[in-house]
Amino acid sequence: DTGVSQDPRHKITKRGQNVTFRCDPISEHNRLYWYRQTLGQGPEFLTYFQNEAQLEKSRLLSDRFSAERPKGSFSTLEIQRTEQGDSAMYLCASSSPRLAAGEQYFGPGTRLTVT
Amino acid sequence: AQKVTQAQTEISVVEKEDVTLDCVYETRDTTYYLFWYKQPPSGELVFLIRRNSFDEQNEISGRYSWNFQKSTSSFNFTITASQVVDSAVYFCALSPRSGDSNYQLIWGAGTKLIIKP
Repeated sequence: DTGVSQDPRHKITKRGQNVTFRCDPISEHNRLYWYRQTLGQGPEFLTYFQNEAQLEKSRLLSDRFSAERPKGSFSTLEIQRTEQGDSAMYLCASSSPRLAAGEQYFGPGTRLTVT
Repeated sequence: AQKVTQAQTEISVVEKEDVTLDCVYETRDTTYYLFWYKQPPSGELVFLIRRNSFDEQNEISGRYSWNFQKSTSSFNFTITASQVVDSAVYFCALSPRSGDSNYQLIWGAGTKLIIKP
């Protein structure tokens, strides 16, 4: 069990550019979550996948954001036309029905800085 | 509305002191789950405990203990004989759904705990 991994760990981009982040969940976990965390705040839910199906999206997820999980394994989160307000830590978590309800394992996050 | 409030932004204590982190939540659901996570300086969130709304028994795990009181909508966390390694940001979270696979977490703003040697 290698845990949840995220790539890259840090991303600096200029306003207006597109960025894509990747999350590899724990292999047997079929549930995958994306959260965003800004400095001094708790994480905010963005979206949820069960296997390859995106079952819920937060209203925080504007049209510039898109997430996929094409084969029910890894997931990608893309932000188009980045804005300075997108600067945050993007966290991925995974879970399994065999775990206690709500228990999630988090990756180290991708820190995005938009200049 | 679903909400978690951690009123203590930062707490600083000297090593070996006991410290309690407060968490107050709001939900209209009758079934829900409460969590505590730890975020050390390295940044990775670490699961500490989960509590079912039907189970109000307090729990102790080593130096950690949790006090769940439904009557006051509180789920407080106490560290006994604190150690420098306990320094981290601690988050309380609420998962308001059951019977649904999406256990998204609603988080408090966190309490930064500083343990001085």
